[in-house]
Amino acid sequence: GAVVSQHPSRVICKSGTSVKIECRSLDFQATTMFWYRQFPKQSLMLMATSNEGSKATYEQGVEKDKFLINHASLTLSTLTVTSAHPEDSSFYICSARQAEAFFGQGTRLTVV
Amino acid sequence: GQQLNQSPQSMFIQEGEDVSMNCTSSSIFNTWLWYKQDPGEGPVLLIALYKAGELTSNGRLTAQFGITRKDSFLNISASIPSDVGIYFCAGQLRPNFGNEKLTFGTGTRLTIIP
Repeated sequence: GAVVSQHPSRVICKSGTSVKIECRSLDFQATTMFWYRQFPKQSLMLMATSNEGSKATYEQGVEKDKFLINHASLTLSTLTVTSAHPEDSSFYICSARQAEAFFGQGTRLTVV
Repeated sequence: GQQLNQSPQSMFIQEGEDVSMNCTSSSIFNTWLWYKQDPGEGPVLLIALYKAGELTSNGRLTAQFGITRKDSFLNISASIPSDVGIYFCAGQLRPNFGNEKLTFGTGTRLTIIP
């Protein structure tokens, strides 16, 4: 199947700093990518839909100034967690669609 | 947002047993997808179903798209240790629309008892 690569796989940062997570579609172009957050033992929760060349669409309750999304090319979307706090610690996953949705490996963010 | 009801929530089985799990929705979907997630990893697509009534196999896995388009099930035959993980169903209403988001199930956690 199609390959979606996410980087980094894990990151630890200090409270107040910003962290950027990259999501790349390696063998296909994706005009749309999706960013999810997953808490332990729970399902994936959609945060936002990333649209190439235009603004992202955020789900209700997700702060767009907190979670900045940039989709500058057809193969790359980035999620930046700004001024991170311990409550932002979570597992973040991106996906991109060809016919079906394929997911990145996930990023474990720990804010200390 | 909406989530699909997936059951059971968790299963504890012995190696070699068959497994069955299902996913139900109050509204119809035109595509059903089944994913497996290992700890610390993203979900991996197992089976995609595109047509009501469709029965599709992938090795020891078999999934069916319910006739009503409101449910789907996944069977795993002769389970092995690497089947351990969390299984998610997901539905799409308009699969030809690339910007349409998936609706996920609540997950079924499979554990194999030694």
